[in-house]
Amino acid sequence: AAGVIQSPRHLIKEKRETATLKCYPIPRHDTVYWYQQGPGQDPQFLISFYEKMQSDKGSIPDRFSAQQFSDYHSELNMSSLELGDSALYFCASSLAVQTETNTEAFFGQGTRLTVV
Amino acid sequence: AQTVTQSQPEMSVQEAETVTLSCTYDTSESDYYLFWYKQPPSRQMILVIRQEAYKQQNATENRFSVNFQKAAKSFSLKISDSQLGDAAMYFCAYRSWGTASKLTFGTGTRLQVTL
Repeated sequence: AAGVIQSPRHLIKEKRETATLKCYPIPRHDTVYWYQQGPGQDPQFLISFYEKMQSDKGSIPDRFSAQQFSDYHSELNMSSLELGDSALYFCASSLAVQTETNTEAFFGQGTRLTVV
Repeated sequence: AQTVTQSQPEMSVQEAETVTLSCTYDTSESDYYLFWYKQPPSRQMILVIRQEAYKQQNATENRFSVNFQKAAKSFSLKISDSQLGDAAMYFCAYRSWGTASKLTFGTGTRLQVTL
C-alpha cells in the first residue's frame, strides 16, 4: 500500500540558508500535518492543511511557511535557518472526516534536517 | 487545549514478560480518539493501537491491549509476551473528533527489552 512520502530524507544546510521539505500524502488523503521532533523530544505540531487551506496552526516560527497544492502534496519552507531548527520533520496525512475505519494519521519517514 | 501526560520516561521489561505503559490526558471533549505510536531507532512513527472514546470495550491488537478509563482520563498500553523488537519509544496521542484535527502527543516512554 502507498505510504506518505517525504523528500529529501536528509538535508544539511548552513545557518541563514533556506530549506524546502516536501510531503506527498497517501492517495485520497485530503489533510496534511507537519510536525517537528527535536532530539529526545516528542513531535510538536507545526501546521496542517485541509483541502489546500490552512486548518490549524501550532508552534510554527514566522520564518517557516507551508502550503498544500492542488494535487494535495505539501511543502514546508524554512528560511533564515538557525542551529535550533535541526530536527526530524514529519509529515502525516489523513482523511479529514473520521469514520469507523478511519481515525488515524499516517506518518512519513521524516526529513532529518541538520543546520551547521 | 488538550494535554497528554506520560509519567514514565523509561521502562524495562524482560523478554516474554508483560509491561504496562501509562498515559493520562486532559480534555473537556466527550468524543475523541486515543492512540499509541511506536518509534523504533529508525524513528519511523508506527501506529500500535487506537481507541475510540465512545467505545467502552478496550482495544486489542495481538500482543498489545489498552486499558481505557474514560472517567479517569487514563489510557494505558499493555504489551504481553514482550519481544526484543518491542524496544522503542512509545508515544500516547490524542485526537479530537472533528474535521482535520491534529494529534497531540505525550512526552514518550522509552521501553527497553532485556534478555
